[in-house]
Amino acid sequence: SQTIHQWPATLVQPVGSPLSLECTVEGTSNPNLYWYRQAAGRGLQLLFYSVGIGQISSEVPQNLSASRPQDRQFILSSKKLLLSDSGFYLCAWTLNSDTQYFGPGTRLTVL
Amino acid sequence: GNSVTQMEGPVTLSEEAFLTINCTYTATGYPSLFWYVQYPGEGLQLLLKATKADDKGSNKGFEATYRKETTSFHLEKGSVQVSDSAVYFCALSDLGAAGNKLTFGGGTRVLVKP
Repeated sequence: SQTIHQWPATLVQPVGSPLSLECTVEGTSNPNLYWYRQAAGRGLQLLFYSVGIGQISSEVPQNLSASRPQDRQFILSSKKLLLSDSGFYLCAWTLNSDTQYFGPGTRLTVL
Repeated sequence: GNSVTQMEGPVTLSEEAFLTINCTYTATGYPSLFWYVQYPGEGLQLLLKATKADDKGSNKGFEATYRKETTSFHLEKGSVQVSDSAVYFCALSDLGAAGNKLTFGGGTRVLVKP
């Protein structure tokens, strides 16, 4: 069966520091991968998606970036965090389907 | 473009009460429709889905029927439990768009009191 992992689970970072969040999927090949952000008390905002290695599509302009160095690895990065980057970051995957499956999330607090 | 509108919460209920969360959508074509649930501090879990008009999705006592004529996919449960306290998201698939993207509603927080 397929599983999706995210780490770290929780992160507290100062403003201006870099960020790297990792998502990995097990038990499948060539999935579509997604990064979402959920601000406190808000809905889901799609940040990036990827249909293959090295293929990244950005949905909103911001100081975040994404990379997919391996088939089942999706990384969300920033060179300098802003206060507004605080939130709950969710990774999701899908394979030949319209149903997305979500990871456990990373809670990021920028101070 | 596609959009999903769901009732704002929070919805506060007593245990064993009937729950309805309204969801309406705007889309071209015939998207699949979903309900996801998010328990406190966790990621989203697929609760149920329906892929065509008049389909009924069901899971864990929850039901929703794909109503094309009213472009709705309301979520219902006949008798809620405290463990149903969560945020519920309605979503639709973005057919034809690259990447099999989903469009989500804003979420509805449900609080069930004993």
